[in-house]
Amino acid sequence: AQSVTQLGSHVSVSEGALVLLRCNYSSSVPPYLFWYVQYPNQGLQLLLKYTSAATLVKGINGFEAEFKKSETSFHLTKPSAHMSDAAEYFCAVSGAGGTSYGKLTFGQGTILTVHP
Amino acid sequence: NAGVMQNPRHLVRRRGQEARLRCSPMKGHSHVYWYRQLPEEGLKFMVYLQKENIIDESGMPKERFSAEFPKEGPSILRIQQVVRGDSAAYFCASSPGTGPNQPQHFGDGTRLSIL
Repeated sequence: AQSVTQLGSHVSVSEGALVLLRCNYSSSVPPYLFWYVQYPNQGLQLLLKYTSAATLVKGINGFEAEFKKSETSFHLTKPSAHMSDAAEYFCAVSGAGGTSYGKLTFGQGTILTVHP
Repeated sequence: NAGVMQNPRHLVRRRGQEARLRCSPMKGHSHVYWYRQLPEEGLKFMVYLQKENIIDESGMPKERFSAEFPKEGPSILRIQQVVRGDSAAYFCASSPGTGPNQPQHFGDGTRLSIL
């Protein structure tokens, strides 16, 4: 069984400040991990993915995430927030075999607000 | 290259009616996934299909819900005898195959409202 916990349903930062969105996972098999962003009334856009090739993953729009097996974490960061980063962010996990490939399990989401 | 297309974007139904949600995957993608996003909740997996086959329907409610992905045409999520609790955003995603190097691409969703 797999699960994802996103700590903090709302995060608020000032423009130019560090963005840190937390994600912890639980998986009985080696996980594949993803971060998606959702803008209002739109679908989800893939920011980045962890596939075991490298623990520090760089994604689009200046975001990156680090996989820490010992902490079962995959936190998303960005050094300097922009107003355009305001959106809802979802962490997701999928399994590494069988039909679990196709099944993404999402966290509850974190709404990021950026203040001028 | 068009993305995942879902229609309609908004659908209003009265209790007891049927709702049909359509999803055309990206060109070259033969794997389709449906997710539901209820208010104040995250996205929940419903069903995973390949052409003409249901691979995993572990997230589908046992009654009133069905999904198909025919050889020709879009994938259809069908909800019979809708109830207020079916009001949600339904998202379709597609991928060319399975595995992390073929991640899922999402459509903009269908927002279903039940009167």
